[in-house]
Amino acid sequence: DGGITQSPKYLFRKEGQNVTLSCEQNLNHDAMYWYRQDPGQGLRLIYYSQIVNDFQKGDIAEGYSVSREKKESFPLTVTSAQKNPTAFYLCASTTDPSPYNEQFFGPGTRLTVL
Amino acid sequence: DQQVKQNSPSLSVQEGRISILNCDYTNSMFDYFLWYKKYPAEGPTFLISISSIKDKNEDGRFTVFLNKSAKHLSLHIVPSQPGDSAVYFCAASSGGGADGLTFGKGTHLIIQP
Repeated sequence: DGGITQSPKYLFRKEGQNVTLSCEQNLNHDAMYWYRQDPGQGLRLIYYSQIVNDFQKGDIAEGYSVSREKKESFPLTVTSAQKNPTAFYLCASTTDPSPYNEQFFGPGTRLTVL
Repeated sequence: DQQVKQNSPSLSVQEGRISILNCDYTNSMFDYFLWYKKYPAEGPTFLISISSIKDKNEDGRFTVFLNKSAKHLSLHIVPSQPGDSAVYFCAASSGGGADGLTFGKGTHLIIQP
């Protein structure tokens, strides 16, 4: 079955620790995205990558880092510099970064900072 | 500064009737609009989209209308079914979506039996 997987589903971390969220897709999609959702809020774009070895900052990139070494994988690291990391994190991908292709989302990872 | 606004946090509709969810945007560069449905603790599921060259797009029970002059779009669901109960997000992008989407805060649709 083709799809986007995110692991783990729930993640706890102590304040001051870095943590990496996994996102893998087997859809052969070129572009991948990371969003963050807070309670009662829409999704906000953190980082995106339209091609391997290239990525761009989104609206709220501070305190986060990403890598895109393989087409299938786009891990997100939440660093200790992120002031409010507790949130629901969603990874998405799209078949081609050309116009008018919808993004497909993974199931999400809920990160809680203790 | 919210560029995509969904002013109704929740909407209650009787089963079988029409559900109308509204969305307003402020960025005139937006040229691609999408609606997603989301259940708690899950990723959003794509429903329907429309590009700025159209004013209507239909897919089964779902129809999206775009009024560019008013910077307004709406999602119509008819007839509404119990499984439609979820949070609906309106999203928009310039350049057709390649650079990521800007989301509204969502409208929680409740279908009552």
